[in-house]
Amino acid sequence: QVQLVESGGGVVQPGRPLRLSCAASGFTFSDYGLHWVRQAPGKGPEWVAVISYDGSRKYYADSVKGRFTISRDNSNNTLNLQMDSLRAEDTAVYYCAKDPRRYCISSSCMGGYFEDWGQGTLVTV
Amino acid sequence: DIQMTQSPSSLSASVGDRVTIICRASLSISNYLNWYQQKSGKAPELLISAASSLQSGVPSRFSGSGSETVFTLSISSLQPEDFATYYCQQSYSTPWTFGQGTKVEV
Repeated sequence: QVQLVESGGGVVQPGRPLRLSCAASGFTFSDYGLHWVRQAPGKGPEWVAVISYDGSRKYYADSVKGRFTISRDNSNNTLNLQMDSLRAEDTAVYYCAKDPRRYCISSSCMGGYFEDWGQGTLVTV
Repeated sequence: DIQMTQSPSSLSASVGDRVTIICRASLSISNYLNWYQQKSGKAPELLISAASSLQSGVPSRFSGSGSETVFTLSISSLQPEDFATYYCQQSYSTPWTFGQGTKVEV
């Protein structure tokens, strides 16, 4: 079955960087778009970013655009999120999640919902 | 951005009760509406996609309906394991957005 395991969370000072990773298994990693979704304490989830199956297209929420970079390594089944210039409002549990549609590049092709989730990793700024 | 508003924010119910949660979108999203269940300390789990399509393994007591701007999630007979927070989410356009959640309590 699909497994997504996030790592890299921790406590970081405002303005400092942090890099999250998500190790995937149980599906053909290189076929699917992948998302990062975060959830601040006591709040609802917030979509952060998505990357197409081949890594050619990336989309970001306005709240992180220009500060966060999503990337993937299809040879190692790994999804990453480089977070720079962190702010207190970035404090959240960060989840990686799998999009349900295969071979999508544009956001209009993607399912835009989150079929499988990891257990999350906590980032405290 | 499309705003998603759920009501109520919380509700109290008993085992065996029928529960209905409403989700409203700030503009028409056709049927691009999904529902998630989240238990304390866990990741959300997808229950329903495309407004009414039950995910594999989800009990049939869960159902979804609606279109355009108003959607409902119903639980026909609440079970102990259903006490959780439920979120709607639109997949019509980016940024994909969630409702604020409905907590179902004993």
